[in-house]
Parts: sequence; structure tokens; C-alpha cells
Amino acid sequence: RKEVEQDPGPFNVPEGATVAFNCTYSNSASQSFFWYRQDCRKEPKLLMSVYSSGNEDGRFTAQLNRASQYISLLIRDSKLSDSATYLCAVNPGYSSASKIIFGSGTRLSIRP
Amino acid sequence: EAGVTQFPSHSVIEKGQTVTLRCDPISGHDNLYWYRRVMGKEIKFLLHFVKESKQDESGMPNNRFLAERTGGTYSTLKVQPAELEDSGVYFCASSQDGKGPYGYTFGSGTRLTVV
Repeated sequence: RKEVEQDPGPFNVPEGATVAFNCTYSNSASQSFFWYRQDCRKEPKLLMSVYSSGNEDGRFTAQLNRASQYISLLIRDSKLSDSATYLCAVNPGYSSASKIIFGSGTRLSIRP
Repeated sequence: EAGVTQFPSHSVIEKGQTVTLRCDPISGHDNLYWYRRVMGKEIKFLLHFVKESKQDESGMPNNRFLAERTGGTYSTLKVQPAELEDSGVYFCASSQDGKGPYGYTFGSGTRLTVV
């Protein structure tokens, strides 16, 4: 079983739609959680850190459910510019304090 | 502030040859990481330097890969001899001391193709 699992998609939704991604992680001792965005042939860029209380940044809302070991990302009022691959990432919290384990990513395509 | 710089951006080499990738972290960042993404797979951790010391090299695939960070500034990742399955994108990231995974900045990557 992979340490971090995501639905690969692709998700193809119209502009203005709300889209949600989920991600599960296997290590219950995981410490930190993130969503990254990766554009085609570019490097990953941090979108949001994810906290137990949930956090929001404009149209983006991230939630963490430690009991069920899943992380979610909600994008409201999607824009064409939101088209990208969204990577779930987890810091496992053992041996290396800074290591990140990535999911394989969920591809999102927003159509006009 | 200059970002994380990687060189070269692309490299095409023949199987059995040697390739050296370079990463210049953001100035003052003690933490330097190497990751790679091979075709169809997720981005995977290779190793982590704190200054010039290897903090965690659990992700290095085999002894054909050698990473160095002499003087705690830039880092090199050498693949010798390269195999076909080494093809992929190699990313470097850096973060400040104490920031851990919250402060990653990735470089734009080196796309390696082994033919």
C-alpha cells in the first residue's frame, strides 16, 4: 500500500464549479500535511499547509481528518488558471524531520 | 531573493555514461533535499542534507547515485553509470533551519533522459 494515495483523475469541470480532492495517508504518526500545485513541466509549489482545525485561503479550503487519516482540498468558483496537478504531501514525522512523501497527484482541468 | 537553481535543465545521455546534476539552494538555507519523479510515478524523496552532512539518505535507490554538498553550499548528484530507469525529473529543494517541511522551495528540476 502506498503511504499517500490520491485519485489520479483527471477531473474535468466547467469554470465556476466546485471541485473536491481527497487524499489518504497510511502512517498515523504523520506530523504535517500539505497540498502542492504542479503545473505541466514545472516544479511543485506549496498551495497550502493543512491543519486539524481546517484552513481557508480565498477559494481554497483544506481539511485534515486524523481519525480517518485523510486530507481534503476544496476549490470553489474554479478558474481556468486552476488547471494543474494537485499533489497531496505528508511529513511522516519519523527519522527525518523534514522529509515529505508525495501522492501521485490529481490532475484538474477547468473548461470554459 | 534568488530561488533554488538547478543545472542543467535537461540532459540526454547514453546508458552507461555518467551525469552530474547541480543544485544551488537559496542562500542561507541549511536544508537541501533531492527528489525525483520517474515516468508515471509520484515524486519520491532521495536524500536530505543539513549543511554538509547527510541527515537522511534513505531514498537513494542504489550505489550508482552519489550526492555531495561540500562546504554546505551547493550540492551535486552524480549518477554513474546511468541506467534507462534513471530517466525522470530530478528536483532539488531547500528550506531554512527550523522550517522543516513548511519552508520548502523547489527548483525547476533537471529532466534526465537515459537512452
